Amino acid sequence: GQNIDQPTEMTATEGAIVQINCTYQTSGFNGLFWYQQHAGEAPTFLSYNVLDGLEEKGRFSSFLSRSKGYSYLLLKELQMKDSASYLCAADRMDSNYQLIWGAGTKLIIKP
Amino acid sequence: EAQVTQNPRYLITVTGKKLTVTCSQNMNHEYMSWYRQDPGLGLRQIYYSMNVEVTDKGDVPEGYKVSRKEKRNFPLILESPSPNQTSLYFCASSPTPVPPYNEQFFGPGTRLTVL
Repeated sequence: GQNIDQPTEMTATEGAIVQINCTYQTSGFNGLFWYQQHAGEAPTFLSYNVLDGLEEKGRFSSFLSRSKGYSYLLLKELQMKDSASYLCAADRMDSNYQLIWGAGTKLIIKP
Repeated sequence: EAQVTQNPRYLITVTGKKLTVTCSQNMNHEYMSWYRQDPGLGLRQIYYSMNVEVTDKGDVPEGYKVSRKEKRNFPLILESPSPNQTSLYFCASSPTPVPPYNEQFFGPGTRLTVL
């Protein structure tokens, strides 16, 4: 089957580091997206990983292991505005490159 | 400003009353898509379009129709809405659906309640 899993909710402290994990199973795989979604708003793009390894983009980094079907999003120096849901989505290599979306991880930042 | 717009943003309607949610993008994107988002579930794709006059079913197409007569517009039509279609709907567009880089740009969402 095809599915994608991520934790439902996580809590972290302002200024700290948090890692949000995502595991996926697809019949074919091109790459993995991370999106941020504030409550009641549209998802916005954070990163896209195609190759194994870590890609850093400011306070946010994303990691991919294709062999393990695993990705994580690393958020450093957490700020209150980082309170949001984080969605991972896998590019599936079927007829029209549709995405499989995780249900999202709600990240709560405490002072 | 490059954007995807949706209208209306909020809609309360009754069972069986046909409605249309409009979606428009000004980025000349080929690919457009409709999703619904429900608590505890990931985004689920309803329909998508690879280009003008080319549409296809996503994972949850029942009860919905779409059309793509112009590149910029991709309306979602509910011919006979039912309460199980109460949801948050997002329209999205992408320059191309083809990997390796096909970031999607989302509209602001339409919160639909069917009584």
